Amino acid sequence: GAVVSQHPSRVICKSGTSVKIECRSLDFQATTMFWYRQFPKQSLMLMATSNEGSKATYEQGVEKDKFLINHASLTLSTLTVTSAHPEDSSFYICSARAGQGRQPQHFGDGTRLSIL
Amino acid sequence: EDQVTQSPEALRLQEGESSSLNCSYTVSGLRGLFWYRQDPGKGPEFLFTLYSAGEEKEKERLKATLTKKESFLHITAPKPEDSATYLCAVQAADNFNKFYFGSGTKLNVKP
Repeated sequence: GAVVSQHPSRVICKSGTSVKIECRSLDFQATTMFWYRQFPKQSLMLMATSNEGSKATYEQGVEKDKFLINHASLTLSTLTVTSAHPEDSSFYICSARAGQGRQPQHFGDGTRLSIL
Repeated sequence: EDQVTQSPEALRLQEGESSSLNCSYTVSGLRGLFWYRQDPGKGPEFLFTLYSAGEEKEKERLKATLTKKESFLHITAPKPEDSATYLCAVQAADNFNKFYFGSGTKLNVKP
């Protein structure tokens, strides 16, 4: 149980392209979804938290207009990297959790984004 | 300031050599502490949740324990397939959506 699917697993595209990443909870309803960025040999850096049907809460220093997050249903959240540039290249990971108590986050397998 | 510190950063063990990983935390109030395993190029995989001091959880060769200041992940007779980065995260009591992640311990088990 508690499976989170993230798609695509890898994206290579040209500078200036917008890229959409999907995060789906397959066997549970995700009240809250999180988006992280992870640099090599470093831990997870939280970018934003989103609750179904409401606007995402972004961490300090994360550009809202650059990283668009939509959480339109209890099983799907999307992250769109708009007008991506080489410095946006990274490993992006989503997570989802059911309820608002002590439930753990369950993570997708990440998306490796490479901007040429 | 709320924070989570994991040690050591890296650990090399021989197969069968038991050891422990540490996760120290300073949080104004603890709602839960979570352990994850992360393989290269993958997202973290959930292992355990601990809620209160004195609690223990086990899964195969792994056992997690919790005190008021830290958690240990004990690995008994590890195998090469236990090699991974182990992350701990603390959930704050005052904000159920606030999780503080440690930087992880990279475990390498040699055959």
